[in-house]
Amino acid sequence: GEDVEQSLFLSVREGDSSVINCTYTDSSSTYLYWYKQEPGAGLQLLTYIFSNMDMKQDQRLTVLLNKKDKHLSLRIADTQTGDSAIYFCAESIEGGSYIPTFGRGTSLIVHP
Amino acid sequence: NAGVMQNPRHLVRRRGQEARLRCSPMKGHSHVYWYRQLPEEGLKFMVYLQKENIIDESGMPKERFSAEFPKEGPSILRIQQVVRGDSAAYFCASSGTGGAFFGQGTRLTVV
Repeated sequence: GEDVEQSLFLSVREGDSSVINCTYTDSSSTYLYWYKQEPGAGLQLLTYIFSNMDMKQDQRLTVLLNKKDKHLSLRIADTQTGDSAIYFCAESIEGGSYIPTFGRGTSLIVHP
Repeated sequence: NAGVMQNPRHLVRRRGQEARLRCSPMKGHSHVYWYRQLPEEGLKFMVYLQKENIIDESGMPKERFSAEFPKEGPSILRIQQVVRGDSAAYFCASSGTGGAFFGQGTRLTVV
């Protein structure tokens, strides 16, 4: 199976919260990232979390890490239409080369 | 502090030609990564370089593809004798400490 897995689609109503989930397999992951990609654009680093943390909050974004279950989530509060994009989860491992390994991305669709 | 700069943004090549993609990392970053993104797919790692050294090229096809990161100047991803299947978005990322930052990508179209 894939090293990093995400569901492919999520549809939410404007103003609701979105929760995008990700599971990873490598227990030695050191950094876990969330990137956002809008159509035709590059990847924007939204946030990252060290594996010794279990939560990180940055304005409307909350990242939760369950290291035991190897589960990472990104919560977007008060989702707006401008949040519609593909969200990629990625991991990288200390002691190796820090090469981020990506999931296939979750397409977030926000409708009025 | 400029971000990761990639050029060109769009590149069209005929089958059999060569494609050269350039990436200038963020200031102070010495690690460069190249990824390929095919339509409807995630990002696949190709190669990881530090200045003048290829550290990991396990994701790069053995033939026609090469990468370098010279002491001076940008990192170059070179694809020789391009084929239609090389059409994709190629992203470069750089890192220092904490997080890998991506460029806007080069969209290669092989006609």
